[in-house]
Amino acid sequence: GAGVSQSPSNKVTEKGKDVELRCDPISGHTALYWYRQSLGQGLEFLIYFQGNSAPDKSGLPSDRFSAERTGGSVSTLTIQRTQQEDSAVYLCASSLDALQVKFFGPGTRLTVL
Amino acid sequence: AQRVTQPEKLLSVFKGAPVELKCNYSYSGSPELFWYVQYSRQRLQLLLRHISRESIKGFTADLNKGETSFHLKKPFAQEEDSAMYYCALSPARRQGAQKLVFGQGTRLTINP
Repeated sequence: GAGVSQSPSNKVTEKGKDVELRCDPISGHTALYWYRQSLGQGLEFLIYFQGNSAPDKSGLPSDRFSAERTGGSVSTLTIQRTQQEDSAVYLCASSLDALQVKFFGPGTRLTVL
Repeated sequence: AQRVTQPEKLLSVFKGAPVELKCNYSYSGSPELFWYVQYSRQRLQLLLRHISRESIKGFTADLNKGETSFHLKKPFAQEEDSAMYYCALSPARRQGAQKLVFGQGTRLTINP
């Protein structure tokens, strides 16, 4: 594909449910990032994957959040027992490596009712 | 701690007028600074980075280490410049350059 893709584009869920958000990075990009974009909060770093190294999870806001990256390509961000404050746009980005320009996906808008 | 501050959430100027979006940062080392832009219904994209010293779409930004600022400027605003602008900082390469720290963003509106 031409760029980073994310699915679904929109997700509405009920408080307490689990959700999975998917990111397909640009082919060949070894670095993958998840950010959260909340109204009035800017972009908040969540987690970073680089090749086969252990991910940097320092930005995950709670243990309800987890992410994995299978085969060094597709990544899934999972939010368990969603809360209303989890409502945001979740952005994925990828880059050739950690030092290169990051390309962002269109985001998944999550609404927790 | 690394921090990026964009003091203006909203900025409105008339077409043809100069525009300046302010960005100040807090970082003890030598960071890389970026401006990202998000046009309506489009994805976030890189506008420019300070190490490139380029002018993109008429925009320039100069890193002022003394004032820890990286303001974005354009001498004559155009309607198509209306967008959300984010200033971002990447720590020095040896200190975890993978993370981008973003400001809260400034929504720029260019009035006809």
